[in-house]
Amino acid sequence: QQQVKQSPQSLIVQKGGIPIINCAYENTAFDYFPWYQQFPGKGPALLIAIRPDVSEKKEGRFTISFNKSAKQFSLHIMDSQPGDSATYFCAAVESLSGSARQLTFGSGTQLTVLP
Amino acid sequence: DAGVTQSPTHLIKTRGQQVTLRCSPISGHKSVSWYQQVLGQGPQFIFQYYEKEERGRGNFPDRFSARQFPNYSSELNVNALLLGDSALYLCASSLRSLPNEQFFGPGTRLTVL
Repeated sequence: QQQVKQSPQSLIVQKGGIPIINCAYENTAFDYFPWYQQFPGKGPALLIAIRPDVSEKKEGRFTISFNKSAKQFSLHIMDSQPGDSATYFCAAVESLSGSARQLTFGSGTQLTVLP
Repeated sequence: DAGVTQSPTHLIKTRGQQVTLRCSPISGHKSVSWYQQVLGQGPQFIFQYYEKEERGRGNFPDRFSARQFPNYSSELNVNALLLGDSALYLCASSLRSLPNEQFFGPGTRLTVL
């Protein structure tokens, strides 16, 4: 059962374009939504994150838009560069029993930015 | 300062064998989590340890086990390997038990033949 659905699976844009990656969730227990960037041979690295009480967050060229009522959120990359070519994962965090917090990832989007 | 380190980098095993993967967290980090990343998919949560105690467990069979040592390093053990266990196994460390503060290692690529 895929708790966080991510699309598209792959995306190709020209340099300077604005790729958009979308995610949707059903579990209302999720209370934190990070995005990760993963390069080949590396582990995922935290890029930007948002809480559900905020509709938008910007950090540099990366922006998260969050629609709590629709249970959807998306990542926009402004002025994309070839160095942004990587796999991007959305994720969601929920509290488990005790003090545990669990991170659930989407299936990933492979982004290619052409020079 | 060194990041999260994992060993070995690559591993090839046959069905039915057992494997042990190792992780050293960032200095000062007390929490370690393990994830399985099958090719073309997102990482899936296996375990979280904080202060040497198991704090969370994902939906994985009992063939998977882990432990955290007094120096906060961790081992993931998988018994009776199946072909479907072939994946990149990621370790992430954090200062506390909060996954939003996790830093990931480069992973161990396990191939089961």
